[in-house]
Amino acid sequence: GEDVEQSLFLSVREGDSSVINCTYTDSSSTYLYWYKQEPGAGLQLLTYIFSNMDMKQDQRLTVLLNKKDKHLSLRIADTQTGDSAIYFCAESISNFGNEKLTFGTGTRLTIIP
Amino acid sequence: EAQVTQNPRYLITVTGKKLTVTCSQNMNHEYMSWYRQDPGLGLRQIYYSMNVEVTDKGDVPEGYKVSRKEKRNFPLILESPSPNQTSLYFCASSLRQGYTFFGQGTRLTVV
Repeated sequence: GEDVEQSLFLSVREGDSSVINCTYTDSSSTYLYWYKQEPGAGLQLLTYIFSNMDMKQDQRLTVLLNKKDKHLSLRIADTQTGDSAIYFCAESISNFGNEKLTFGTGTRLTIIP
Repeated sequence: EAQVTQNPRYLITVTGKKLTVTCSQNMNHEYMSWYRQDPGLGLRQIYYSMNVEVTDKGDVPEGYKVSRKEKRNFPLILESPSPNQTSLYFCASSLRQGYTFFGQGTRLTVV
């Protein structure tokens, strides 16, 4: 079955790196996503990684995937106040060629000045 | 501009009064779905549709209905809303894996 888990809260000092972790259960997932949701806003796709990759870097964001352990992480370098948000990880399962997303609970990232 | 548009963005209603949340996409996507977001639970899929007149239940379909009479529209219907349906609702459409677009969300409060 599908299950995606994240811790609910993370606090980080401004300028430090943030690491948000996620575990998933479905080994047939082909894409894994990170979404950002700011207060009162919708879902913003931050980045994604194919399941055959180990790492993807995009400016301040680094995604690491350990497929053996079904563990995904998002590292945000030089965390800023604008990074305060809820971060969702999601796994993508093909549903007859279409995409079914299963989301984690979301991690609320708080930046400490 | 590629868009998924939901209306209304905010809605307060009373228990039992039927309501519809509309969703429209301009990308000619076949696959559309509805999610609800609740604190500590993430987003859970309510219903999905793989094409016109083809709909199926997601993980939490109870209390909801959908219809897909045209490719671009996928309304969510609450025939008799209850307070436990107070939530943030997202419509999504996708072409294939890796290309899912979300609407801006509809915050529904049922009193």
